[in-house]
Amino acid sequence: QVQLVQSGAEVKKPGASVKVSCKTSGYNFNKFGINWVRQAPGQGLEWMGWISTYNDNRNYAQNLQDRLVMTIDTSTSTAYMELRSLIPDDTAVYYCAREKSREAFCFEFWGQGTQVTVSS
Amino acid sequence: DIQMTQSPSSLSSFVGDRVTITCRASQGVGISNYLAWYQQKPGEVPKVLIYGASTLQSGVPSRFSGSGYGTEFTLTISSLQPEDVATYYCQKYNRAPLSFGGGTKVEI
Repeated sequence: QVQLVQSGAEVKKPGASVKVSCKTSGYNFNKFGINWVRQAPGQGLEWMGWISTYNDNRNYAQNLQDRLVMTIDTSTSTAYMELRSLIPDDTAVYYCAREKSREAFCFEFWGQGTQVTVSS
Repeated sequence: DIQMTQSPSSLSSFVGDRVTITCRASQGVGISNYLAWYQQKPGEVPKVLIYGASTLQSGVPSRFSGSGYGTEFTLTISSLQPEDVATYYCQKYNRAPLSFGGGTKVEI
């Protein structure tokens, strides 16, 4: 079965970077893009960006593109999200999510979420 | 960029009631039918209910339905059940940014 398993919770100081991993299994990694979504405490869902797993294209949310880097490792079927120059407002649960299909880019499969806390 | 606006932001209804949530895309060109609805229960990961504006995701109860095209969409729960207490989000996925609506919290 399709699984996305994320790395564990992180606590970072303002100005630091965080890198979250999303290890996938149960399907052909190269056939479906990976998105990252975050959710601040008590808030809604915010799309952060997308990375293609077949041609390495990326598309980042405009408000994050200066600090966000998405990468993939096809040898381990793992996607990574690195957010730099962290500020307290980056405190959130971060999710990776796999698109449903090439025809429907909604998010059918989700990781369990990774809590990132930014605090001095 | 097209913004997605949901209404209401919260609602409270009785078990068995019909509940309707609306999602509007900000620009006139619209998003065709590239619209999904998600359910997020407290402490859980979001789950896709509807995609293509009206296609029910496998395993989702038939009391959930979606409609709409272009700029106005609705999610309907035909008979609200206690397990439907959750926050519901719409999302456009025609092109980046794949924005979500602000969410509608449904209570009983």
